[in-house]
Amino acid sequence: GAVVSQHPSRVICKSGTSVKIECRSLDFQATTMFWYRQFPKQSLMLMATSNEGSKATYEQGVEKDKFLINHASLTLSTLTVTSAHPEDSSFYICSAARTESNYGYTFGSGTRLTVV
Amino acid sequence: TQLLEQSPQFLSIQEGENLTVYCNSSSVFSSLQWYRQEPGEGPVLLVTVVTGGEVKKLKRLTFQFGDARKDSSLHITAAQPGDTGLYLCAGGSYKYIFGTGTRLKVLA
Repeated sequence: GAVVSQHPSRVICKSGTSVKIECRSLDFQATTMFWYRQFPKQSLMLMATSNEGSKATYEQGVEKDKFLINHASLTLSTLTVTSAHPEDSSFYICSAARTESNYGYTFGSGTRLTVV
Repeated sequence: TQLLEQSPQFLSIQEGENLTVYCNSSSVFSSLQWYRQEPGEGPVLLVTVVTGGEVKKLKRLTFQFGDARKDSSLHITAAQPGDTGLYLCAGGSYKYIFGTGTRLKVLA
């Protein structure tokens, strides 16, 4: 149980275009999902907290107009990188917890974004 | 701001050796988690420690939560090449912050 699916696993896009990444909880409901960014050989940095039915909460320094988050249902959150630039190239990972669980989060397998 | 510092950052050892990874903070955490991440994949939860002084064992891995719940350690006995990966501690009551990471390489 507790499977989180992330799609796509890899995407290459041209500079200036937008890319949408999906995060789905397959066998449980998640009122909250989290989006992380990871640069090569570094740890995960929390970008934002996605709340079902309400606006996302962004961490300091993360541009909310650039990284649009939508959490329209209890099983799906999306992250859209708008007007992507090469410096947005990174590994993006989502995580989710069962609504009733207090122990750890399940992570998606990540999305490798390359902006050319 | 809560920070989690891990040490060492990098560790390269021979198969069969033992090792310990540390996760330290000046803040108190209600719980800490340990994850292992392989290249191109998301982190996979290894264990959650909740009680100060708690020790949990997972086969050759032993996890300890400090009495004051500000630090934790991961000890691996007789490391194997399959243990190679990025080890991350994480903590927080709602949104998790991750430690700086320890990259382990076990040579056959």
